[in-house]
Amino acid sequence: EVQLQQSGPELVKPGASVKISCKTSGYTFTEYTMHWVKQSHGKSLEWIGGINPNNGGTSYNQKFKGKATLTVDKSSSTAYMELRSLTSEDSAVYYCARKEARAYYAMDYWGQGTSVTVSS
Amino acid sequence: DIQMTQTTSSLSASLGDRVTISCRASQDISNYLNWYQQKPDGTVKLLIYYTSRLHSGVPSRFSGSGSGTDYSLTISNLEQEDIATYFCQQGNTLYTFGGGTKLEIK
Repeated sequence: EVQLQQSGPELVKPGASVKISCKTSGYTFTEYTMHWVKQSHGKSLEWIGGINPNNGGTSYNQKFKGKATLTVDKSSSTAYMELRSLTSEDSAVYYCARKEARAYYAMDYWGQGTSVTVSS
Repeated sequence: DIQMTQTTSSLSASLGDRVTISCRASQDISNYLNWYQQKPDGTVKLLIYYTSRLHSGVPSRFSGSGSGTDYSLTISNLEQEDIATYFCQQGNTLYTFGGGTKLEIK
C-alpha cells in the first residue's frame, strides 16, 4: 500500500525557516516524482514544485522560487520541503503528492498535509 | 500561465442525485485534466486522470468527460461519503488547480 506520511504541525516565528518531511512507503521511492502543494485557509491548491528523487532534479512554480527548497533522502525514502523567510502569507497546509508514473501529470497519492502557522 | 475556473463554488444535492461539476481552462489543455476529492478532514484523493480515466479503487459512479477547454466530473447516484470539495487540475503546462466546488447534501 502506497503511503505518504508527513511531519506534524509547525508553529514558527516570522522570518524563520521550517522543514517539512514526507516519509514514503509501499513503492520504489526513486521511480516517482514527488510534488508539493500549498492550500491556504482551506481555499484552493497551488503547485509549489516537484523533485525527481532519482537524480535530485527539481522544477518550481516561479512564485515559490526562493521560498521553497525541495530535497530528498533516498536512504530513508523521504522527501523534504524547506520554507524560508516565513511571513503570515506562508501560513497554510502543505501537502506532498506523488506524481503517477505515466505522462498524465496527475498526483495519484497524497500525504495527509502539514499545517504551518507563522506567528510571533 | 493556464488558469482553471470552477464557476460553481458550492453545490447542494440530494442523496441518489446525479451531480455534474464543471471546470474550464483558459486555453486548450489537450485532455490533461485531472479531478481530486478533498474530504472535510483534509484528505485528498485522485479520482479521474486524463479527463476520463478512473483511478484505481475509485467507485464507478464517478466519471469524467470533456475536451479542449471544457471538462466535467459527474457523480451518479450521490452517496453520503461523496460529501467533499472537488478540484480540477491541468497538467498540460506545469500544474494549476481550479478553485474547488464544495458538494453538500440538500
